[in-house]
Amino acid sequence: NAGVTQTPKFQVLKTGQSMTLQCAQDMNHNSMYWYRQDPGMGLRLIYYSASEGTTDKGEVPNGYNVSRLNKREFSLRLESAAPSQTSVYFCASSLGDTQYFGPGTRLTVL
Amino acid sequence: GENVEQHPSTLSVQEGDSAVIKCTYSDSASNYFPWYKQELGKRPQLIIDIRSNVGEKKDQRIAVTLNKTAKHFSLHITETQPEDSAVYFCAPRGWAGSYQLTFGKGTKLSVIP
Repeated sequence: NAGVTQTPKFQVLKTGQSMTLQCAQDMNHNSMYWYRQDPGMGLRLIYYSASEGTTDKGEVPNGYNVSRLNKREFSLRLESAAPSQTSVYFCASSLGDTQYFGPGTRLTVL
Repeated sequence: GENVEQHPSTLSVQEGDSAVIKCTYSDSASNYFPWYKQELGKRPQLIIDIRSNVGEKKDQRIAVTLNKTAKHFSLHITETQPEDSAVYFCAPRGWAGSYQLTFGKGTKLSVIP
């Protein structure tokens, strides 16, 4: 059981470039989430998917898009990266109340 | 949406002492109150949680207490050890029909040997 996996672990982008962060879980969880973590700000919800086929905006969705590809996979896309999107991105999944987090992706936008 | 505040933002204690972190929330419909621990460079992990029909829950050296009337809940760590050093987040669930959590900004706990 790998749990929640994320790729890549690190990424450096130039302003205006696009990229997709990948997340997969092997726990048969229905719900999946994308958070960003900035110093002193806690974790802020970007998008979530309550079940396969549905996605909803969280607290800070601007500049991002998501795709729930199937029950296992939930990707986060930055269409035109900005320096304000420099952050650590965590994916999480849950079946009930407890959320299980992936190892994170550290993204720097220059 | 849910407004969440955590206090203090940093806390230093001597090894063996107790630590208490308080979390206040705004949504009176909140019914689930977890605490997550994040060690440096690692992912957040659930350490303890409580539901609105329970006032206190203990798990070895950690406990969570809930005051629904005052809309706050607290994390208590007794007999602190160096491995307790981490950032702790409260994350109340604001709407009963959703699994969304709203995270506080975190409390950095340092346990001094």
